[in-house]
Amino acid sequence: KAGVTQTPRYLIKTRGQQVTLSCSPISGHRSVSWYQQTPGQGLQFLFEYFSETQRNKGNFPGRFSGRQFSNSRSEMNVSTLELGDSALYLCASSDGGNNEQFFGPGTRLTVL
Amino acid sequence: GENVEQHPSTLSVQEGDSAVIKCTYSDSASNYFPWYKQELGKGPQLIIDIRSNVGEKKDQRIAVTLNKTAKHFSLHITETQPEDSAVYFCAASTLDSSYKLIFGSGTRLLVRP
Repeated sequence: KAGVTQTPRYLIKTRGQQVTLSCSPISGHRSVSWYQQTPGQGLQFLFEYFSETQRNKGNFPGRFSGRQFSNSRSEMNVSTLELGDSALYLCASSDGGNNEQFFGPGTRLTVL
Repeated sequence: GENVEQHPSTLSVQEGDSAVIKCTYSDSASNYFPWYKQELGKGPQLIIDIRSNVGEKKDQRIAVTLNKTAKHFSLHITETQPEDSAVYFCAASTLDSSYKLIFGSGTRLLVRP
């Protein structure tokens, strides 16, 4: 089975712009979670989707949003980018059976 | 609130020695504890996990122990090899209706040849 894929792998944006990141889970997995990883804050949970429904949301401002499509692919959007949004954004998928989550390689976002 | 503390932040061992990384969690409802290994430029890789109904789990050179009373869990790597060098993260989760993981701050392990 192919692993979790994320596109793009690298992205450079300027303050005030918006960005959309994409995640394709492992085939058959219906849960997709998103995490932000920074040197200062570590790995922080953004949100989780299961069968197109957001089941949980972390403590991030409303500028961070996401959605999941019927094929389980997910996108996250960050609007009005700030310098502090520079981070590695990781997506993880799960088959919904036993909590095991498998991560993709991440999208490295740099905000200038 | 939910919190996972991880120690040490860095660990340097000689090849062949053992390495131990410890984590403490705050949410008594947590019942799933995975460990991830992250190499440079890659996403975290699940290496082992344990659930609250089990006290210890082993997979070749890697073992994890859980003390629910003390809210402690630990990763043990025996016979370390240079390819074990990476950043290791512990995490905790509640087996409820979502898969939110609370991560520790990470341990950078260096195995010296």
